[in-house]
Amino acid sequence: NAGVMQNPRHLVRRRGQEARLRCSPVKGHSHVYWYRQLPEEGLKFMVYLQKENIIDESGMPKERFSAEFPKEGPSILRIQQVVRGDSAAYFCASSPPGDSREKLFFGSGTQLSVL
Amino acid sequence: DAKTTQPPSMDCAEGRAANLPCNHSTISGNEYVYWYRQIHSQGPQYIIHGLKNNETNEMASLIITEDRKSSTLILPHATLRDTAVYYCIVRRETSGSRLTFGEGTQLTVNP
Repeated sequence: NAGVMQNPRHLVRRRGQEARLRCSPVKGHSHVYWYRQLPEEGLKFMVYLQKENIIDESGMPKERFSAEFPKEGPSILRIQQVVRGDSAAYFCASSPPGDSREKLFFGSGTQLSVL
Repeated sequence: DAKTTQPPSMDCAEGRAANLPCNHSTISGNEYVYWYRQIHSQGPQYIIHGLKNNETNEMASLIITEDRKSSTLILPHATLRDTAVYYCIVRRETSGSRLTFGEGTQLTVNP
């Protein structure tokens, strides 16, 4: 998937714990997007970030979820006090700066399971 | 972003062309048509995109009608590995605009 690295590939958490999902975009890409896919459902947009800035978080739940994309290092999607309903596949995508018509490159996803 | 309508499922014989339709009757002048696919449990994969002219690359061809209200993705020689959910997405030409995925078409390529 064109160099977007997500880790871990699988993450198991108990209810109430925190989950941290990491995404390293394609080298040189400054736009990161996070999507969530619940079991047997479609991909839902969560948040769009550029370096150090949140541009669009309209798909992010208002509580317990946060995202960052620091100047150095990967983008992090953080879920606090996880519940069973957070169990899903979380996909990250990146795109280069400038022309918005550039295609998005997706990672292989992190499968979060909440026990 | 304009809404798209796709059939929920299609079948295709291996080696034959797969033609996946998409309706986007409310598309506006600055919106592009994108196609992505998602093979089971993997991340979505870009296939092709276009504005108003037909496009072709190593994966597929995209045919957009003259009024731009519909399009067809063509996989010229489908293989078993092309079995996936195919998403037709209309995206505004604004900086960093997100992709909004619908339900897509489940294409099953049969041997």
